[in-house]
Amino acid sequence: DAGVIQSPRHEVTEMGQEVTLRCKPISGHDYLFWYRQTMMRGLELLIYFNNNVPIDDSGMPEDRFSAKMPNASFSTLKIQPSEPRDSAVYFCASSLRAGYNSPLHFGNGTRLTVT
Amino acid sequence: AQSVTQPDIHITVSEGASLELRCNYSYGATPYLFWYVQSPGQGLQLLLKYFSGDTLVQGIKGFEAEFKRSQSSFNLRKPSVHWSDAAEYFCAVGALTGNMLTFGGGTRLMVKP
Repeated sequence: DAGVIQSPRHEVTEMGQEVTLRCKPISGHDYLFWYRQTMMRGLELLIYFNNNVPIDDSGMPEDRFSAKMPNASFSTLKIQPSEPRDSAVYFCASSLRAGYNSPLHFGNGTRLTVT
Repeated sequence: AQSVTQPDIHITVSEGASLELRCNYSYGATPYLFWYVQSPGQGLQLLLKYFSGDTLVQGIKGFEAEFKRSQSSFNLRKPSVHWSDAAEYFCAVGALTGNMLTFGGGTRLMVKP
């Protein structure tokens, strides 16, 4: 079990550029979550998917943010255009099934810096 | 809506000393409660969870936590801290239905030799 894999680990980009973050969940996990971590706001849930379908995107901050899950083994979080305030660590997590008996497995995150 | 407060942003303890990290939650019904640990440069790892039953729950790495409904608390404890326990610790609460956890702001633990 390779765990949740995120890429890239670090991303530095200029304001206005498009940024795409990638996530490969653990095989067989039905749920995928995107979180953002900042010093000011802590860990925030942005969106989560069940069987590749977005269930709740109420945490997505603006229309500049979009997330897709084209298949069970891949998800992207895209920011277009990026802004300096988007600088944060973005985590992807997956879980086997619904409910809290199935713990979240986190990736190591992508540290995004927008200059 | 649920919320979680971790009053201590930083805590420093000596290796071998006991540890207690505080967590207070706000939720209208019986909560689902969790503690996660985050080592530098890594994602979060589940330490333990409380759903119901015995209010003292055991987790990995020698950690335990006690649910106290009257105090709306779920404090994390360890009798003897090791240098490898230095990390950031997050308390989280979940609603009865759904999959959305609300995390506290975290407590950064530093361990002195």
